[in-house]
Amino acid sequence: AQKVTQAQTEISVVEKEDVTLDCVYETRDTTYYLFWYKQPPSGELVFLIRRNSFDEQNEISGRYSWNFQKSTSSFNFTITASQVVDSAVYFCALSVGAGANSKLTFGKGITLSVRP
Amino acid sequence: KAGVTQTPRYLIKTRGQQVTLSCSPISGHRSVSWYQQTPGQGLQFLFEYFSETQRNKGNFPGRFSGRQFSNSRSEMNVSTLELGDSALYLCASSLLGQWYEQYFGPGTRLTVT
Repeated sequence: AQKVTQAQTEISVVEKEDVTLDCVYETRDTTYYLFWYKQPPSGELVFLIRRNSFDEQNEISGRYSWNFQKSTSSFNFTITASQVVDSAVYFCALSVGAGANSKLTFGKGITLSVRP
Repeated sequence: KAGVTQTPRYLIKTRGQQVTLSCSPISGHRSVSWYQQTPGQGLQFLFEYFSETQRNKGNFPGRFSGRQFSNSRSEMNVSTLELGDSALYLCASSLLGQWYEQYFGPGTRLTVT
């Protein structure tokens, strides 16, 4: 069975602080995909990044960066110089298998509040 | 290009009733997945449809069902509503062969009283 753990439930930071959102996953499959989604108050999930199990290269996109470490089964997300607009719920998700499998297993989510 | 649309956005039903939610995918997307989001259980996969066929199913009782039409629009139905069915129901669509790139709609907020 697959599992995604986001141990942090709520994080509050002051604008311009850096913040890291942790994600730990469990799967016995060797082929899998990891995702991060952002859910603003409007409700829809906004895709941020996807990583497959064969690509451990870290990624940076503007103020966002992701650290994927298979050795610790972690896929952490860092926001540098946070802004009020980053306030949202962030979900880490996992999908296993190489075939057509859109079933995502989500973590419980982390509510990030960025105060001005 | 229009995004995924879901109707209605808000719904209030009484326990024991049934409800039908609708999802229109992005034009050209043929796969539609449904998720339930509750404060207690979080986001959980309900089912996925492709070319009018259910391809994947989550662990939900048979009261939850869905279907997909030839134009890729999808509906999900919940019969004999229970208080615990109160949730945000999200649908997502993706292109054939790009299941890993799902685009989510704004959801339907269902309240069961």
